Amino acid sequence: DSGVTQTPKHLITATGQRVTLRCSPRSGDLSVYWYQQSLDQGLQFLIQYYNGEERAKGNILERFSAQQFPDLHSELNLSSLELGDSALYFCASSVVGQGLYNEQFFGPGTRLTVL
Amino acid sequence: GQQLNQSPQSMFIQEGEDVSMNCTSSSIFNTWLWYKQDPGEGPVLLIALYKAGELTSNGRLTAQFGITRKDSFLNISASIPSDVGIYFCAGQLGGGNTDKLIFGTGTRLQVFP
Repeated sequence: DSGVTQTPKHLITATGQRVTLRCSPRSGDLSVYWYQQSLDQGLQFLIQYYNGEERAKGNILERFSAQQFPDLHSELNLSSLELGDSALYFCASSVVGQGLYNEQFFGPGTRLTVL
Repeated sequence: GQQLNQSPQSMFIQEGEDVSMNCTSSSIFNTWLWYKQDPGEGPVLLIALYKAGELTSNGRLTAQFGITRKDSFLNISASIPSDVGIYFCAGQLGGGNTDKLIFGTGTRLQVFP
């Protein structure tokens, strides 16, 4: 158990819909990262937050957005869903989020299926 | 999106055999990491490498940070059934204001008794 929790574990929805994925980081970690894992693209960095502020963006679609709340939990919002958005979405957290290496601890993931 | 080139893509070996996999990049990284992902789980860190040329072991696992800072390899000795999973390399540039990870394409390992 990494200490990072993600809900829900599974999500099945239809094209065009909107969903929200939730992540609670490890106690004491200030930085949260979102990664997408699909069969043909591997693990791709989406976005990072540090203490409520956006820190870095990867290949995140405009239909996707995220935020980190004052209690440090984070939500990833996916809208106008397409079949290609079906993937595993992982959240990770670390203590700092910049500079020299700080280990990122990954949650168990949310499996999104878009029908 | 950016990904590291990892090979082989998959391996099917017998219990007790040694395994070797590597990862290359067109970019320089300041930290190289190796993760393992079990089915239905998130990646778990196996080894972290911080300096070019560094060789680090963790039990039966040994990994090296390439001199050019553009590659790394992971060796698993005397494989056992619980080694089954997907192994990912990851690079971390560090510095700046983010330490996001760039992942390799993964090596799927299957171990037969």
